[in-house]
Amino acid sequence: KQEVTQIPAALSVPEGENLVLNCSFTDSAIYNLQWFRQDPGKGLTSLLLIQSSQREQTSGRLNASLDKSSGRSTLYIAASQPGDSATYLCAVMNRDDKIIFGKGTRLHILP
Amino acid sequence: NAGVMQNPRHLVRRRGQEARLRCSPMKGHSHVYWYRQLPEEGLKFMVYLQKENIIDESGMPKERFSAEFPKEGPSILRIQQVVRGDSAAYFCASSPQGINNEQFFGPGTRLTVL
Repeated sequence: KQEVTQIPAALSVPEGENLVLNCSFTDSAIYNLQWFRQDPGKGLTSLLLIQSSQREQTSGRLNASLDKSSGRSTLYIAASQPGDSATYLCAVMNRDDKIIFGKGTRLHILP
Repeated sequence: NAGVMQNPRHLVRRRGQEARLRCSPMKGHSHVYWYRQLPEEGLKFMVYLQKENIIDESGMPKERFSAEFPKEGPSILRIQQVVRGDSAAYFCASSPQGINNEQFFGPGTRLTVL
C-alpha cells in the first residue's frame, strides 16, 4: 500500500533564503509525482509534475527532483518570498490511476 | 478553456440532511475523480468515474455516500443523512483519459455539518 510522507510538517524561514521540502513514498511503481500548493481554505494549485522517467522539473524559482528507486522527491524553492507561504503537498499517481497525497508541509516565510 | 468547476463552493447542512456536491470537468475530459480532505488530514481518494460508469469506488464509505457521472451534466457526489464527521473539503479532478494522465483539480466544496 502506497504511503506518502512529507517532512517537515511545518517550516518557518526568513525571507530570501533557499529551502528544500522533502517527500518520500513507499512504492516506487508510480506513473508520476506532483507538487501542489494549497493556500488556507483554497483549492490546489499544481506547481510541478514529474513523470516517472524524468529526474527533475523546473519552473521559475521552483525545482523538483525525483529519485524513484529510493522513493524520494524534493521541492527546492530559491530566494523565498512571503507570498510563498502556503501548504505544499506532494502526491504520487499509482499505476491504478489513484493519486496518493502526503499530509503536506506548512511553510511560513518570515518578512 | 474553463477549468474544473465545483459548486457550491461552501455548503452548510444540519445533521440528517442530504448534501449534493457537483463537479463539471474540463471540456473534453471524460474521467472524474473525487477526493476528500478532512481537517488536519491529507487528501484521500474516494471514487473514480467515467461517463455513466463507476470505475473504482474503493475509497467511498460503504454507507450514505454515492457518486454518479451521467451522460449529460455534471458529476454528483451525494451524501445522505450527513453527520458532523462528514465536514470536510471535497475536491473533484478530471482528466482527458484514464491511466497516467494528469488530473486537474477544481477549487473544492467545503461542507460544514452543524
